[in-house]
Amino acid sequence: LAKTTQPISMDSYEGQEVNITCSHNNIATNDYITWYQQFPSQGPRFIIQGYKTKVTNEVASLFIPADRKSSTLSLPRVSLSDTAVYYCLVGLYSGNTGKLIFGQGTTLQVKP
Amino acid sequence: EPEVTQTPSHQVTQMGQEVILRCVPISNHLYFYWYRQILGQKVEFLVSFYNNEISEKSEIFDDQFSVERPDGSNFTLKIRSTKLEDSAMYFCASRKSDWAGDTQYFGPGTRLTVL
Repeated sequence: LAKTTQPISMDSYEGQEVNITCSHNNIATNDYITWYQQFPSQGPRFIIQGYKTKVTNEVASLFIPADRKSSTLSLPRVSLSDTAVYYCLVGLYSGNTGKLIFGQGTTLQVKP
Repeated sequence: EPEVTQTPSHQVTQMGQEVILRCVPISNHLYFYWYRQILGQKVEFLVSFYNNEISEKSEIFDDQFSVERPDGSNFTLKIRSTKLEDSAMYFCASRKSDWAGDTQYFGPGTRLTVL
């Protein structure tokens, strides 16, 4: 399972674009990169997943450079409701059992 | 959009009592999981379940814990004799297949409070 490194916390203001970068130097060839969001006292919520280049959905974009050793989650025009913990997971599935190993994540605080 | 559901949302129990936490995974999913999160800490893996068997369990998942899929829709976590340190949010998750790109979806959680 590839180790990931992401900032512990970030601050932003409403309406700004937020980019959270995750380092995963030991990513394996068949690993996907997945981001989850978690609000207090709620379950982790899947945001986006990618393998290479760029993926975009209605919530976020995920940028993955050619070497795949890092990835950037981009949240366009954040609002107060985007205040949450964001987790980057790589090599999502350990063996065939599929267990997820969560780190501390990045706590994003959006200010008015 | 299909989602994982969990009941109850909050369970209060006395130390030493048995509790059963219930989950209804997404209907066409085959892989099921329980995680827990103690207040202020990381989400921790407890157990994975596939084809009516435990496929992996963590060191947290000792003899006091058990899981069951009693019918085609429910997935339960039982704690036989609760301890104060079992107080946490418990999350159920499910996944369709073991393909590396298949996402795991989480339920809203059950807050377990052991007094």
